[in-house]
Formats: sequence, C-alpha cells, structure tokens
Amino acid sequence: SQQGEEDPQALSIQEGENATMNCSYKTSINNLQWYRQNSGRGLVHLILIRSNEREKHSGRLRVTLDTSKKSSSLLITASRAADTASYFCATDVGGGHDMRFGAGTRLTVKP
Amino acid sequence: SAVISQKPSRDICQRGTSLTIQCQVDSQVTMMFWYRQQPGQSLTLIATANQGSEATYESGFVIDKFPISRPNLTFSTLTVSNMSPEDSSIYLCSVGTGRDEKLFFGSGTQLSVL
Repeated sequence: SQQGEEDPQALSIQEGENATMNCSYKTSINNLQWYRQNSGRGLVHLILIRSNEREKHSGRLRVTLDTSKKSSSLLITASRAADTASYFCATDVGGGHDMRFGAGTRLTVKP
Repeated sequence: SAVISQKPSRDICQRGTSLTIQCQVDSQVTMMFWYRQQPGQSLTLIATANQGSEATYESGFVIDKFPISRPNLTFSTLTVSNMSPEDSSIYLCSVGTGRDEKLFFGSGTQLSVL
C-alpha cells in the first residue's frame, strides 16, 4: 500500500528555475529515497537519505528529511528541459527493500 | 548495480487472455519485486519473489490472478491471467541487490486490455 503523499501533484516551471517537491509519510522509516520516471517507463534511483540524516546533496539535487514532521523535500536547482519527468518518494519501512511509493509529482520544465 | 531486461515493452491483449512478462537480470539477486502502476498513479507492490520459495503477495493480489515464477537468481516471470480492461497498467519488475538499499527497475511493460 502507498505510504507517501506528495505535493504538488504537478509542477510547471521555466528552464533555469528551481523545482521543489514535498513528500509526507505516516510511519517510522529506515530511509527515504527519491526516484525519477520518464514517460511511464522504469524508475531510476536519484538519492537516498537515512533516518538519522537531515540533508543530502547530489549534483543539482538537494534532499531534506524531517522525521519529526514525517516529511521530506526534493529540490532540483537550475532545472533543465531534460528534468521533465515524474518524481516519486519511497520509504523503506522494514528493511529488505520493503519500499512504499508516494503518489508522485509530475514536473514539466519549459525551455 | 543491476541491469534488468523486461519484455515485452508493451502489448495489447484481448479480454480473457493471459500475458506473461519476463524479467532478466544481469547478476544474481535474491529479491525481485513486481509492481503495478495504473494510469496516472503511483506504484503498488504486487508481490515479492525470492528464489526457492513461493512468492509473497500483497493484500488485494492473489496467485491465481498473478502467478509468478522464480526459477533461478537471475530470472522471473509475472503472468496476468484472465485479463480485463481494469488490468490495463504498467507492470514493473525491480530488484534489490542486497549490497545497497536502492531498487533497480526494468523498463516496464505497458499493457492495454481491450
């Protein structure tokens, strides 16, 4: 079953702007991960943040985690048209890759 | 990492028929997962398939409708049986390597049932 709720459901921005997506979840987690999906195809892992971490960076990606609020955010800086995709958060609740995916945010970056 | 070959990439099927989706991994993995993604929706876990044991199905999914085989550590199949239009979805296989906590995904099977 789904655990995460993401907002916004859809986001449209201009190239060069920053995009922020939020994810909330309900139960305790081991880690939270963000994935990207292009055009309904397979998902690609972007970044993982553990429950004892508060912030993590990878290239143009910045992820924050607030376990007290059970929420996370993904920031994509200096967006590009190629960033157009759906982004999903996923929570690892039980270890062993027991992942639960959020509803996703559809990001459109206009050139 | 793991590279997954999933096929078919898409199919259009008639009501009442069955479709088998194959997932081949380039390395031996213990855990394989099958997900369904209905149009515009998120991923829902159908079952976990570990080699040498029966697949474990999530609530709402049953073996008669979604039989799974896992004959070895690099291969699995999911069959969608007695299909109806409500089965129209993207079906995704994924694996966990055990060496890290992330999942690797196949490219998905876009299924349309008429």
